[in-house]
Amino acid sequence: NAGVTQTPKFQVLKTGQSMTLQCAQDMNHNSMYWYRQDPGMGLRLIYYSASEGTTDKGEVPNGYNVSRLNKREFSLRLESAAPSQTSVYFCASSGGRGPSSTDTQYFGPGTRLTVL
Amino acid sequence: DQQVKQNSPSLSVQEGRISILNCDYTNSMFDYFLWYKKYPAEGPTFLISISSIKDKNEDGRFTVFLNKSAKHLSLHIVPSQPGDSAVYFCAARVAAGNKLTFGGGTRVLVKP
Repeated sequence: NAGVTQTPKFQVLKTGQSMTLQCAQDMNHNSMYWYRQDPGMGLRLIYYSASEGTTDKGEVPNGYNVSRLNKREFSLRLESAAPSQTSVYFCASSGGRGPSSTDTQYFGPGTRLTVL
Repeated sequence: DQQVKQNSPSLSVQEGRISILNCDYTNSMFDYFLWYKKYPAEGPTFLISISSIKDKNEDGRFTVFLNKSAKHLSLHIVPSQPGDSAVYFCAARVAAGNKLTFGGGTRVLVKP
């Protein structure tokens, strides 16, 4: 039982390049999330998917796109990377589907991205 | 505009003593609060939570207190252990969804 896995662990991009961050969970969770962590800012929600086939914007969605490929996988794509997207990216999942869910979010180990 | 704030970026405490971490929030719609712990190069892990209908929740060495009128919550760790050295994030959720809003984190160092 691996929980939430993320690939790659590290990535360096040049400005304007594109890439996709991969996330998978094996806990049969309905909801999945993408966060970025910046110093002093905590974790900020980029996008989330409350259930397979749905995605919604979070607090900082600009410059990103997501795909909920199936129940297990949720990818984050940077179409044209910018230095402001240098950050640590975390994927998370939780069992809840919608309102009133109080279940816990489980996080992956993170991807450290540097954009030059 | 940060809706969840942790005003102390760092905290140093002697092993065996109490660690007190504070968190303030501004959104009165938050109804559920959580604390996460994060070690370097790992993802955050859930530590303890509290519903807005309670003012205290305890789990072993960890206790979370909620003061709704002051929009303030705190995490007490007693006794502190070197393995507690980590970054702690408080987070909050509004009633109509499961999105979390995180504070900026407090780095705790427990000295042996």
